[in-house]
Amino acid sequence: SQQGEEDPQALSIQEGENATMNCSYKTSINNLQWYRQNSGRGLVHLILIRSNEREKHSGRLRVTLDTSKKSSSLLITASRAADTASYFCATALTQGGSEKLVFGKGTKLTVNP
Amino acid sequence: DTGVSQDPRHKITKRGQNVTFRCDPISEHNRLYWYRQTLGQGPEFLTYFQNEAQLEKSRLLSDRFSAERPKGSFSTLEIQRTEQGDSAMYLCASRPQGAKVNEQFFGPGTRLTVL
Repeated sequence: SQQGEEDPQALSIQEGENATMNCSYKTSINNLQWYRQNSGRGLVHLILIRSNEREKHSGRLRVTLDTSKKSSSLLITASRAADTASYFCATALTQGGSEKLVFGKGTKLTVNP
Repeated sequence: DTGVSQDPRHKITKRGQNVTFRCDPISEHNRLYWYRQTLGQGPEFLTYFQNEAQLEKSRLLSDRFSAERPKGSFSTLEIQRTEQGDSAMYLCASRPQGAKVNEQFFGPGTRLTVL
C-alpha cells in the first residue's frame, strides 16, 4: 500500500508561475525525497530532505518538511514548459532496516507555454 | 550511457505466458531494487538485492514472480502465467554501497501489457 497522498492530483499553470505540491505520509521516516517522472519514463531524483531538516533548496526547488504534521511541500519557482511531468514524494522508513522507498500517487504538473 | 538500463522497454504478451525482464544497474552499485507502477499510481516496492542476496520482498511479489541476481550484477524479474492485472511498468533502481542516504537511481522501465 502507498504511504500517503500528494495534493493536488493535477496542477496546470502558466510558464513563469510557481508550482506548489504537497505530500502527506503516515509513519516515521528517515528522509523524504522528491522524484520527477516524464510521461512513460523512469524516475529522476530531485531533492532529499532528512527528518531533522525543515527546509532545503536546490536551484529552483524548495522543499519543506513538517514531521509533526507528517507533511512536505515542493515548490518549483519560475516554472518552465520542461517542468511538465509527474512529481512523486517518496519516504525512506525507519522501521526494521527496510530499504524500500514508499511513494505517493503523484501530482501531474502541466506548465503551459 | 552509465545509467540503469532495462530490457526490453516494452513487452506485449498473452495471458498465461511467462515473461522475463532484465535490469543492469549502474556499475559498482551493489544494491538493486524492483518496483511496479500501474497507471496513475506511484511505484510500489517489489524486492531488493544486496549483491546477490535477496534481502527484502514485498507481499506484492506473489509466487508467480521470481527475481534473481546470480552474480551480483544484473538482475532478472520473471513473471509466470501472466494475468491481465500484471500489466504495469516495471522499474529497476540501484544505489551504491556506502551511500549515506537511500537515494535510488531508476532505469527507464519495462512496460508490460498482458492481453
